[in-house]
Amino acid sequence: NAGVTQTPKFQVLKTGQSMTLQCAQDMNHEYMSWYRQDPGMGLRLIHYSVGAGITDQGEVPNGYNVSRSTTEDFPLRLLSAAPSQTSVYFCASSPWTLRGNRMNTEAFFGQGTRLTVV
Amino acid sequence: AQTVTQSQPEMSVQEAETVTLSCTYDTSENNYYLFWYKQPPSRQMILVIRQEAYKQQNATENRFSVNFQKAAKSFSLKISDSQLGDTAMYFCAFMKPTGANSKLTFGKGITLSVRP
Repeated sequence: NAGVTQTPKFQVLKTGQSMTLQCAQDMNHEYMSWYRQDPGMGLRLIHYSVGAGITDQGEVPNGYNVSRSTTEDFPLRLLSAAPSQTSVYFCASSPWTLRGNRMNTEAFFGQGTRLTVV
Repeated sequence: AQTVTQSQPEMSVQEAETVTLSCTYDTSENNYYLFWYKQPPSRQMILVIRQEAYKQQNATENRFSVNFQKAAKSFSLKISDSQLGDTAMYFCAFMKPTGANSKLTFGKGITLSVRP
């Protein structure tokens, strides 16, 4: 059981380049999300999706696009990389299913992508 | 909007001792979830413990326990018998369970070092 798989683990981009960070999960989770982690800032939500075909913005969406064509995949696109996007990026998935009156709330994280924009 | 505050940027503890990491949060909700996540140098985010706000009993997971004070909006993590492998960054997180739109809000994290 692979869980949440992110690729690549490391990436260096030049300012203005575009790229896609890949995220795939094999747990049939409906909810997927992207966070960025910066020193002293914790993790901040970029975009999220509650199911195939549905996406929405999080706290810091500018400069990023997402799509969700399948349940398994949730890629994050940087349209024109900027040095301010240097960060560690995490993809996460969650079932958010109700069992009786309890919600299954555990989020499963990928191993992160360290992105440097020069 | 909910906010999560971890005011201590770093702490240090001697191996085998006990340490408490602080977290406060702000919300007008009555039903929510609180979490502590551990991020070791490997960068992997690992769920340590979870607390449901409607439960008065504090959650425990082996050497990890929480002190949940709902009225004070405080959620501290106690690590007993600290081990070298506990060295990591720890994040406190809040979630309002609104079904499919539930989102995690994280604090800024605290770096814990366990000294041999």
